[in-house]
Amino acid sequence: EPEVTQTPSHQVTQMGQEVILRCVPISNHLYFYWYRQILGQKVEFLVSFYNNEISEKSEIFDDQFSVERPDGSNFTLKIRSTKLEDSAMYFCASSVLGARQETQYFGPGTRLLVL
Amino acid sequence: GIQVEQSPPDLILQEGANSTLRCNFSDSVNNLQWFHQNPWGQLINLFYIPSGTKQNGRLSATTVATERYSLLYISSSQTTDSGVYFCAVVAAGNQFYFGTGTSLTVIP
Repeated sequence: EPEVTQTPSHQVTQMGQEVILRCVPISNHLYFYWYRQILGQKVEFLVSFYNNEISEKSEIFDDQFSVERPDGSNFTLKIRSTKLEDSAMYFCASSVLGARQETQYFGPGTRLLVL
Repeated sequence: GIQVEQSPPDLILQEGANSTLRCNFSDSVNNLQWFHQNPWGQLINLFYIPSGTKQNGRLSATTVATERYSLLYISSSQTTDSGVYFCAVVAAGNQFYFGTGTSLTVIP
């Protein structure tokens, strides 16, 4: 069964450094998403992406964050200058149709620790 | 945004017991999914269930959209069922709003 993959599984970085989290969505999917989960809390929406542009973003997704689909398979989340509070699990998800219409499939997550 | 509340927040069961987890949401939804977050942090899809009832083995779910709630039933629980169960809903737009989760511990 096709699945969403994410790399790396864990990343440790110093405050102020840039990080890029990578995702490979399921191949025929058209909608892509990033979520984050701070330890012990609920999962929070960051951004959705369709047709090579951001379709929706939350208040969390400020100027420090950016997303890109650099080629036909990868979908990346960049954090420009990491802060301690960016430490969290980051999930990528994808779906064929928009989230209102069908299942979103989640990747296994990247656990980011900012020191 | 839409409010999603789950109950109970914590649940401890003896292996073999049954349980019901509840998800209440504050507005009409177009999509509802139940997830199991395992001890490694992975979110496992359980059900896509914006309305009606579905069953998959020992798990079943019912969503009553008109009354704005969904229930997840776990029968004959096993230790591998331990983890956090989240419901997530989509109202307008394309973003999921997740509930705060039910933390389930099944003891042998």
